[in-house]
Amino acid sequence: SQQGEEDPQALSIQEGENATMNCSYKTSINNLQWYRQNSGRGLVHLILIRSNEREKHSGRLRVTLDTSKKSSSLLITASRAADTASYFCATVLYNQGGKLIFGQGTELSVKP
Amino acid sequence: EAGVAQSPRYKIIEKRQSVAFWCNPISGHATLYWYQQILGQGPKLLIQFQNNGVVDDSQLPKDRFSAERLKGVDSTLKIQPAKLEDSAVYLCASSLTGTGETQYFGPGTRLLVL
Repeated sequence: SQQGEEDPQALSIQEGENATMNCSYKTSINNLQWYRQNSGRGLVHLILIRSNEREKHSGRLRVTLDTSKKSSSLLITASRAADTASYFCATVLYNQGGKLIFGQGTELSVKP
Repeated sequence: EAGVAQSPRYKIIEKRQSVAFWCNPISGHATLYWYQQILGQGPKLLIQFQNNGVVDDSQLPKDRFSAERLKGVDSTLKIQPAKLEDSAVYLCASSLTGTGETQYFGPGTRLLVL
């Protein structure tokens, strides 16, 4: 079964707006990662946040992690049409050999 | 740096036929993963190799799926015989040590079973 659940399942915004995606998980984690998948292509790593971190930034991306609520959010600021993709959170559990457990993903559509 | 290579990119077969996918990871990466991604879902790990040994194959349907990484470099995933529900994208990924760091994904093989 999937460890993570993402919300919303789909999101449609205009260029220039901010997009926020949320991820909840069930068991304690080592780290949490966000990946992007463009239509018909492989996944691209965006950002990794460790269980002892609360916030990380990378360019227009901001990720937060709340381990007490077992949740994370990904914020994309000033979105562009090229940000249109599916976004997945993936958790790494303790003592599980480093494997990623993916959520169902959020499908983001950014309209020009 | 070359990324993860996969072939073929697309494959159409009939049920009960066999199919094989190939993956070449990033040079120097000890860990190789095979994921299955069904349309509309997140990827699900099928098998994880550390060098040429299996670390996790708990979700691999072993009655029909097999995988090997003989020399600790490239890998092959086989399905025999295929079922309709095997229609999916098969993703290969690699990472440096397999301790939960970033994974690098190939473009995937899209399989359609008719």
